[in-house]
Amino acid sequence: GQQVMQIPQYQHVQEGEDFTTYCNSSTTLSNIQWYKQRPGGHPVFLIQLVKSGEVKKQKRLTFQFGEAKKNSSLHITATQTTDVGTYFCAGGSSSNTGKLIFGQGTTLQVKP
Amino acid sequence: DGGITQSPKYLFRKEGQNVTLSCEQNLNHDAMYWYRQDPGQGLRLIYYSQIVNDFQKGDIAEGYSVSREKKESFPLTVTSAQKNPTAFYLCASSSYGSNQPQHFGDGTRLSIL
Repeated sequence: GQQVMQIPQYQHVQEGEDFTTYCNSSTTLSNIQWYKQRPGGHPVFLIQLVKSGEVKKQKRLTFQFGEAKKNSSLHITATQTTDVGTYFCAGGSSSNTGKLIFGQGTTLQVKP
Repeated sequence: DGGITQSPKYLFRKEGQNVTLSCEQNLNHDAMYWYRQDPGQGLRLIYYSQIVNDFQKGDIAEGYSVSREKKESFPLTVTSAQKNPTAFYLCASSSYGSNQPQHFGDGTRLSIL
């Protein structure tokens, strides 16, 4: 079945360092969504990418969607302690079901 | 998310017992979803529903059942057939169709007594 792989599983950085997490799908995606889950919390929607090669920015966060619509990345510039949490990518299939296939997530720890 | 309410926050199940997790949304969303999250893992889809009185199995539906009698409500029953129910259960909703962001409730943490 359709799978979305996400790496790395964990990342520890010093505050101020950059951070990147990557997602790869076994099939072409209709869209990719990114969510953030704070420790003890629930996933919160960050952004959605739909177009091939799309790049979107939210302050220090940069999201990319690959040309083949099979991979995506999230890059955080100059991490802060407020960035701590688990970041999930979620791929939408081509069917009109609204179903998302979630990656395993990357847990980010930021040392002050 | 204030628009989706899950209850209870914590739930304990005895052997052979069925338990029901509640999920209510006031976002007027057509679609609702149930996910299971295990420590260090992503979200796995249990069941989803796009419209009232209709629902489909997700990737790990065995041992679970749902109903969708009202647009606002999508309860999940964890049956005694689910041998490893200990997990964090998340309910979500979205507008109908693909490419829609999902809004999550605060979750229910289920444990075995």
